[in-house]
Amino acid sequence: AQKVTQAQTEISVVEKEDVTLDCVYETRDTTYYLFWYKQPPSGELVFLIRRNSFDEQNEISGRYSWNFQKSTSSFNFTITASQVVDSAVYFCALSDLDQTGANNLFFGTGTRLTVIP
Amino acid sequence: EAGVVQSPRYKIIEKKQPVAFWCNPISGHNTLYWYRQNLGQGPELLIRYENEEAVDDSQLPKDRFSAERLKGVDSTLKIQPAELGDSAVYLCASSLVGRVNEQFFGPGTRLTVL
Repeated sequence: AQKVTQAQTEISVVEKEDVTLDCVYETRDTTYYLFWYKQPPSGELVFLIRRNSFDEQNEISGRYSWNFQKSTSSFNFTITASQVVDSAVYFCALSDLDQTGANNLFFGTGTRLTVIP
Repeated sequence: EAGVVQSPRYKIIEKKQPVAFWCNPISGHNTLYWYRQNLGQGPELLIRYENEEAVDDSQLPKDRFSAERLKGVDSTLKIQPAELGDSAVYLCASSLVGRVNEQFFGPGTRLTVL
């Protein structure tokens, strides 16, 4: 069964601090995708990144970076020099292949990040 | 390009009343999803459509929930009758066929059942 665990329910940091959001996943599939989504107060889920199970290269996009480690089944997300606009709920998600050959998304419970000015 | 549109944004009803949510996906997106997001939780898939066919409705509580996507574009999700435990945000998402990995989400409908 697929499972995504985000152990940090809430995190508060002061502006300009770095912060890492943890994500641990479980799956029996050898092929899968991992995602991070941002959900600001407006409610709309915003796609941040997608990673497939065969690509363990870390990725950096501006102030965002992601560390994918298959050995520990983790896909952590770091925000460098946090800003107030980063305040949101962040979801890690896993997609598998179902019987139709398509994928379903399984979300973690989210981490609420508050950046204090 | 317009994103996924949902209406209404908010709905308050009394228990046992019916309620319906509407979703208009991104133009050209054949695949449409309905998710339910309970407070403090991540979204959970209720149903997935490929064009007008429901290809995965295993998580849809069929005793009170129904959905339709008659022309393969807009979709409606209905609850009848609503229960207190149905209070949640109902999210719609869309993607190109076979591209579940690139889902685009709407703003959701926040349902409160009193």
